[in-house]
Amino acid sequence: GESVGLHLPTLSVQEGDNSIINCAYSNSASDYFIWYKQESGKGPQFIIDIRSNMDKRQGQRVTVLLNKTVKHLSLQIAATQPGDSAVYFCADSRTSGTYKYIFGTGTRLKVLA
Amino acid sequence: NAGVTQTPKFQVLKTGQSMTLQCAQDMNHNSMYWYRQDPGMGLRLIYYSASEGTTDKGEVPNGYNVSRLNKREFSLRLESAAPSQTSVYFCASSGQGVEKLFFGSGTQLSVL
Repeated sequence: GESVGLHLPTLSVQEGDNSIINCAYSNSASDYFIWYKQESGKGPQFIIDIRSNMDKRQGQRVTVLLNKTVKHLSLQIAATQPGDSAVYFCADSRTSGTYKYIFGTGTRLKVLA
Repeated sequence: NAGVTQTPKFQVLKTGQSMTLQCAQDMNHNSMYWYRQDPGMGLRLIYYSASEGTTDKGEVPNGYNVSRLNKREFSLRLESAAPSQTSVYFCASSGQGVEKLFFGSGTQLSVL
């Protein structure tokens, strides 16, 4: 992803609503994609991953959608809770050659009570 | 489970000083990475080690050196710190092939 400077895109959602966080990647050779959650002052935590042979993968309250045609990834969080407030990053990589994960700049999710 | 352990958690340096950031993982992972994170920006790869005995440059290697001491440990050295190296540094590891990264809790470094 490209740097957007000091101001992260912010998504504000009401507690209990569903959240959708989007991410674009640029490398058409990427075939592995991950979403991370980072809370203030902590390291990124793995949420869910997906390989390019899939369009959709579900976890607990989270779903990742992959559209390889437009190089777009989204993370859906169902019934958003206050504990979901964090910065969310996507990353992409290739399963052949050297593994370098390219991270997006992140989206800040704010959950409103 | 300790996972990925980084030391120190905080450090303040003067311009020109040197220091080494330590990282160790107990998951028997082959690959280890060093990233830096600046305010409002994503994680940028400094160096990585695909396996014990190998190291390679990432996106922003200038001003840094690394050592893969053994399978568990991967250190990052700043030989002559500069204010532009003020950042939060994260170490990460992953298993065989392309797998999810496990991150440490980070080192917040300030260079005055």
